[in-house]
Amino acid sequence: GESVGLHLPTLSVQEGDNSIINCAYSNSASDYFIWYKQESGKGPQFIIDIRSNMDKRQGQRVTVLLNKTVKHLSLQIAATQPGDSAVYFCAENMSSGTYKYIFGTGTRLKVLA
Amino acid sequence: DGGITQSPKYLFRKEGQNVTLSCEQNLNHDAMYWYRQDPGQGLRLIYYSQIVNDFQKGDIAEGYSVSREKKESFPLTVTSAQKNPTAFYLCASRRDQGADTQYFGPGTRLTVL
Repeated sequence: GESVGLHLPTLSVQEGDNSIINCAYSNSASDYFIWYKQESGKGPQFIIDIRSNMDKRQGQRVTVLLNKTVKHLSLQIAATQPGDSAVYFCAENMSSGTYKYIFGTGTRLKVLA
Repeated sequence: DGGITQSPKYLFRKEGQNVTLSCEQNLNHDAMYWYRQDPGQGLRLIYYSQIVNDFQKGDIAEGYSVSREKKESFPLTVTSAQKNPTAFYLCASRRDQGADTQYFGPGTRLTVL
């Protein structure tokens, strides 16, 4: 299978618990942020996004928090399920015309039964 | 995978051969991207295209070439000049120029024998 995720930091959580995955972004001018989920051997899937004029955004079982002061982004997953096991990474972008995104290396989430 | 297809899923190449990876999207997106993913690293940008018949080098363009003759298609050629081509290749697209979500295809795993 795909070896993406080798040597990544790993977060192990019990099924049913909440998970918090963190990301430190690099560019203070970034104003758009995305969280992706990537399962082994597959392309990244969009989970949730947030713009810099917000501090928090909620989706279904997921919440993204943005702290611009310390350039920190977090993804909270409520009631973690076995299907949540994957690598999660953040991406940052600027709306001022650039087409380039900066990606984090990712965190592997393992859900324990 | 958001209407983005990549083929083939697995590709094997002998050293010294060029190989072309296909990427097609039916999302009517203007911008398309090619990334390379290696274990333990964030996605690295190879090439991107904002509009038809125009494309720009990314951070690791050496040994790769692209074309954008149609809006929906953005093939990537891995040439024999690419010294370490074994990797997972991801194609992505985005709607327009403002900061917006980038959607990924399922990926192609290239192995050089």
